[in-house]
Parts: sequence; C-alpha cells; structure tokens
Amino acid sequence: GNSVTQMEGPVTLSEEAFLTINCTYTATGYPSLFWYVQYPGEGLQLLLKATKADDKGSNKGFEATYRKETTSFHLEKGSVQVSDSAVYFCALISTGGTSYGKLTFGQGTILTVHP
Amino acid sequence: EPEVTQTPSHQVTQMGQEVILRCVPISNHLYFYWYRQILGQKVEFLVSFYNNEISEKSEIFDDQFSVERPDGSNFTLKIRSTKLEDSAMYFCASRLGDGYTFGSGTRLTVV
Repeated sequence: GNSVTQMEGPVTLSEEAFLTINCTYTATGYPSLFWYVQYPGEGLQLLLKATKADDKGSNKGFEATYRKETTSFHLEKGSVQVSDSAVYFCALISTGGTSYGKLTFGQGTILTVHP
Repeated sequence: EPEVTQTPSHQVTQMGQEVILRCVPISNHLYFYWYRQILGQKVEFLVSFYNNEISEKSEIFDDQFSVERPDGSNFTLKIRSTKLEDSAMYFCASRLGDGYTFGSGTRLTVV
C-alpha cells in the first residue's frame, strides 16, 4: 500500500533560519503530492502541491519539488518566521483502483520558530 | 472561497453514547471523506463516499461507524457506541479532481 514518511520532529529554529522537512513516499502509479499545514487549534490547510515528476509547488515562501527518482518531496523555506510555527504534513493522493482519491499522510512534523 | 463546514467544533460525550458529527461539503464536489487525528498522531483515513454509497473504508471504520448523506447537502458520521479510544479530531473533506477541501474539524472527547 501507499505510505509517507516524514523526518522526525519536533524542529526548533530561530527566525530567519533555513527550513527543510524531509518527506519520502511509497506509492503505486503516479500520485500527486501535497504539503498541508495545521496551525494550533485549527484544521488542515493545503500549503502546496505538485502533480507530476519535477514539478515544483510553492506558496508563502515554501517550496517542494516532486522527485520521482528519489521518491521525495522535501519542504523548504529560506527564511522562517514565528508565524510559520505549526504542524506540517506531507501527503499523497492515490491514483489507482478503489483507493482513488484517498489521501495518505505522513506522521507530521512540529515546527517551532523562536524570535 | 467555498468552505466545508463542520459542526459542532467540540463535542464531549459519555462512553457508550451515540454521537453524530455533521458536515456540509462544497456543493459541486462529488467525493466525500472522513479522516481522524488522534491527539499528537498522524491523520488517518476512515471512509470515502461517492454516489450515495461507501467506496472505501479503513479497518478503523468498523460496525460502530456509519456515514450518511441524508438530504443531498449534509454528510454525517455516526458512532453508535463511543469508546474512550474514539477521542480524536474528526475532519470532513470533499474533493473535486485532486483538489481536497477540509473542514476545520470536530474535536470529540469521550469520557
């Protein structure tokens, strides 16, 4: 079955530091890949997505590139802010069979940014 | 921007009681889902619903769970006899293509 593995957290950074959160996946077919963000006390918000190999998703200064050869979709941001403190989830969407459209999530990475 | 609306935002119930979690998906979406997140853990798939029937369910979704779309707009998740381990955040989502929209969740606490 499909699976998503994220780097262990929590991650604690100072403001303006560089962020990388690693994500690798196992899937059949050609899934679309996503990063979701969950701010404290809130629901899941789509941060960015990529639908095919070598696509780069970007939003709010965050970027991730769909790397089919390494089955990875690492999240990066050049300069984090305190307001980026949240839980980040990597996810993929199934593209085949009866599971079409089902999201599989990684375990989430807690990011805390200090001033 | 269209939203998925979930009610209530927080529900406390006694073990063994029935609960119904409600969702209003986006009107032109065709696929509907329930996911749950036990505190501090990953988001897990529960069930998908299409064309007025369940299209897939996880092993978590046992006989105590049911879903319904009673009136063409609401989408409900019922837990017949709640257990302590059902305490979690429950997210409803609707989808068109690969564009998912999640609700803000219902936090269910079973005491």
